[in-house]
Amino acid sequence: EDQVTQSPEALRLQEGESSSLNCSYTVSGLRGLFWYRQDPGKGPEFLFTLYSAGEEKEKERLKATLTKKESFLHITAPKPEDSATYLCAVRSVRSGGSNYKLTFGKGTLLTVNP
Amino acid sequence: DAGVIQSPRHEVTEMGQEVTLRCKPISGHNSLFWYRQTMMRGLELLIYFNNNVPIDDSGMPEDRFSAKMPNASFSTLKIQPSEPRDSAVYFCASSSTVGANVLTFGAGSRLTVL
Repeated sequence: EDQVTQSPEALRLQEGESSSLNCSYTVSGLRGLFWYRQDPGKGPEFLFTLYSAGEEKEKERLKATLTKKESFLHITAPKPEDSATYLCAVRSVRSGGSNYKLTFGKGTLLTVNP
Repeated sequence: DAGVIQSPRHEVTEMGQEVTLRCKPISGHNSLFWYRQTMMRGLELLIYFNNNVPIDDSGMPEDRFSAKMPNASFSTLKIQPSEPRDSAVYFCASSSTVGANVLTFGAGSRLTVL
C-alpha cells in the first residue's frame, strides 16, 4: 500500500523566514508526486507535479524537489499570503490508468506571521 | 470555466436521514473522483468514475454510501442512513486523461451529522 508522510504537521514562520516542508513516500513504482495548496474552506489547488528523482519545479516563492524517498517544498522569503495547508500526494504503478487514485499525506499547516 | 461545482456547501442533518451531495465537473473532463477529508484520516478516495462508469469503489466505506454519474456533467454521492461518523468534508474532483494528470477540486461539501 502506498504511504505518504508529511512533516512537520504545523509550521509557524515569520515573514521572510525561509524553510522547507517534507514529504516522505513509499510506493511500488512512482508515477508522479504532486503538491497541492489548500486554503481554509476550499478544495486543494494544484501546485506541482514531479516525476523523477532530481527533478525540480518552481513557482514564485515555492520550489519543489524530488529524491527517490522524499520530496521537499522549499519556501523562500514567505509572505502571509503563503499561509495554507500544503498537501503532498503520490500516484504509483498500482494506480492503474492515468489520473487514477492519488494517495495524499495529511498535510503541513503553514502559518506566516507578518 | 466555473470550475468544479459542488452543492450544498454545508449540510447539517440528523442521524438516520438521507444525504445527497452533488457535483458538476469541468466540461470536457472525463474522470471524476469523490474524496472525503477528515482531521484523523486526511483525504481519502471514495470512488472514481471514468467516462461516467464507476471504475473503483473500493474506498466507499460501506453499503450506506452510493454514487452515481448519470451523465458527463453530473454526479451524486448519497449516504443513507447517515451516521455521526460520516461527518466530514466531501470533495469532488475532475480531470482529463489527456495531458497532465492534474485533479481540479471543488470547494467541498461540509457534512455534519448530529
